[in-house]
Amino acid sequence: DQQVKQNSPSLSVQEGRISILNCDYTNSMFDYFLWYKKYPAEGPTFLISISSIKDKNEDGRFTVFLNKSAKHLSLHIVPSQPGDSAVYFCARRAGNMLTFGGGTRLMVKP
Amino acid sequence: DAGVIQSPRHEVTEMGQEVTLRCKPISGHNSLFWYRQTMMRGLELLIYFNNNVPIDDSGMPEDRFSAKMPNASFSTLKIQPSEPRDSAVYFCASSPHRVAETQYFGPGTRLLVL
Repeated sequence: DQQVKQNSPSLSVQEGRISILNCDYTNSMFDYFLWYKKYPAEGPTFLISISSIKDKNEDGRFTVFLNKSAKHLSLHIVPSQPGDSAVYFCARRAGNMLTFGGGTRLMVKP
Repeated sequence: DAGVIQSPRHEVTEMGQEVTLRCKPISGHNSLFWYRQTMMRGLELLIYFNNNVPIDDSGMPEDRFSAKMPNASFSTLKIQPSEPRDSAVYFCASSPHRVAETQYFGPGTRLLVL
């Protein structure tokens, strides 16, 4: 049972344009959704989160939108930079437990 | 702070051998998590500890896997005997308190069982 799904395994975007990474979930019981970024040969690093009581959270170039009725969230990166090229995981947090999606590989082309 | 430290970074072993992965969490963090990443299953939680006590080990695949946390600064994940299907990247993560917004991951141990 995949509770958190990232249906796009990869995404290619031109530098300077917007990157939109999507995530769908089935279980509505959660405290936060988090986005992690992972470079090769490194562990995931926390990027941004959104509380279950909000529908938007913004931090610099990164904005996460939460649509609870659709059980969908998205991460917007604008403008995209080549250094943003990485695998992005969304994760549902309930209590102290994280459930991860399968990840989306973002490639930002110069 | 050095972050979460894992050793070894890479391990190659033969089927049937015992494998021990090690983790040092960030100082002051009292929750520790072990994850496994594979192509088929993605990132999955194996077990987590709070204040050195195992809280949820429902993700541990089978009895060949065991984890310990003898003190606040050290944890091990042991596989005995190892099998080729255990080949994966194993991550350790820690967080500062029981209900923390985020977890901080180590660099991972890449395990290959031949």
